[in-house]
Amino acid sequence: AQSVTQPDIHITVSEGASLELRCNYSYGATPYLFWYVQSPGQGLQLLLKYFSGDTLVQGIKGFEAEFKRSQSSFNLRKPSVHWSDAAEYFCAVGPKAAGNKLTFGGGTRVLVKP
Amino acid sequence: DSGVTQTPKHLITATGQRVTLRCSPRSGDLSVYWYQQSLDQGLQFLIQYYNGEERAKGNILERFSAQQFPDLHSELNLSSLELGDSALYFCASSVAGVSTGELFFGEGSRLTVL
Repeated sequence: AQSVTQPDIHITVSEGASLELRCNYSYGATPYLFWYVQSPGQGLQLLLKYFSGDTLVQGIKGFEAEFKRSQSSFNLRKPSVHWSDAAEYFCAVGPKAAGNKLTFGGGTRVLVKP
Repeated sequence: DSGVTQTPKHLITATGQRVTLRCSPRSGDLSVYWYQQSLDQGLQFLIQYYNGEERAKGNILERFSAQQFPDLHSELNLSSLELGDSALYFCASSVAGVSTGELFFGEGSRLTVL
């Protein structure tokens, strides 16, 4: 069965510093990979996705993620964090077969210090 | 705004009661998904409907049921409520007939069972 692990439950970062959120997945083959962000009181918004091709993908809000097949990882990065990036971030995997069911990791809550 | 509408936004009820949560997907989306988000379980996939038919089932309790109507809106029915059912229930929709894996989430319905 597929699973997603986000090892860091909380991360605190200073505004302007870089951010990296870790995501490891377990899946029979290379799945579709996603990062979603949930701001307080809001639903989930897609940041970026990886289907195939270039393993470095760019997303919205200045985020990027790198797929590393050998490590079964899909870590999310941002070079310079803004206070508005304080939110919870979810990594998710989905099958390449028909159907769009996504399996989510437990989430990483990011706190941004001024 | 994702285009997915969920009502009600907040609901407080007592144990043993029954509630119905409603979801209107994005215009043109045929697939609707229900997720439960709780502190201890994270984001759990409950069920998916595609064009009125059940397509996939996750960790949905027998006390819970869902359906998708001809106009494509969906309802999640929760009965014999228990304290542990208190959670944020998300509806998501996806592009009709395309396995892009990208889900668009509503803002959720927060259920509190007292």
